[in-house]
Amino acid sequence: QKEVEQNSGPLSVPEGAIASLNCTYSDRGSQSFFWYRQYSGKSPELIMSIYSNGDKEDGRFTAQLNKASQYVSLLIRDSQPSDSATYLCAVNEGRDDKIIFGKGTRLHILP
Amino acid sequence: GAVVSQHPSRVICKSGTSVKIECRSLDFQATTMFWYRQFPKQSLMLMATSNEGSKATYEQGVEKDKFLINHASLTLSTLTVTSAHPEDSSFYICSAAGDRGSTDTQYFGPGTRLTVL
Repeated sequence: QKEVEQNSGPLSVPEGAIASLNCTYSDRGSQSFFWYRQYSGKSPELIMSIYSNGDKEDGRFTAQLNKASQYVSLLIRDSQPSDSATYLCAVNEGRDDKIIFGKGTRLHILP
Repeated sequence: GAVVSQHPSRVICKSGTSVKIECRSLDFQATTMFWYRQFPKQSLMLMATSNEGSKATYEQGVEKDKFLINHASLTLSTLTVTSAHPEDSSFYICSAAGDRGSTDTQYFGPGTRLTVL
């Protein structure tokens, strides 16, 4: 069974520090990787997508992908209290448009 | 860009009634729409995948006769919860994928909170 694994947290990070969120996946055929942010009571919001090995930066967010290790991460620099949310890692199944979500990591930025 | 709307945002109904939820992609064409359900403090659970003009593909354990999905156009999909019961109370979220970003990038609607009394 294809799986996406995340530490459920909560991960507590001081304001201004770097938050590091990690995700592993089981399907070696996966080609597309996504990070979503979900505030309590709200629907998920796409933060970043990444398709190639290496780093991809967008503002304070950096996604890192290592297909050999089947590992994808999200770094949030200069963490703000507004970054406190659940972060969902999502990976495509490798053969169609369906993506598999991890259970999410709760991030808490300490003011 | 990539805006997905859902209507209604919140609905309260009596047990035994049917509820229809609409999902629309406002600024792109959605070849595929997905319906998820999320219980409090739980992860997203995919219910079904629908492609425009085709029958929906339901995940294991999801009753297709209870959760009717119609994807009649490239911008609209509907989910009808038939004969709703209190255990159907949940947060229902649609997402759409299509000609915005990669074909497997899903953009989520704001969700519909269903409460069945």
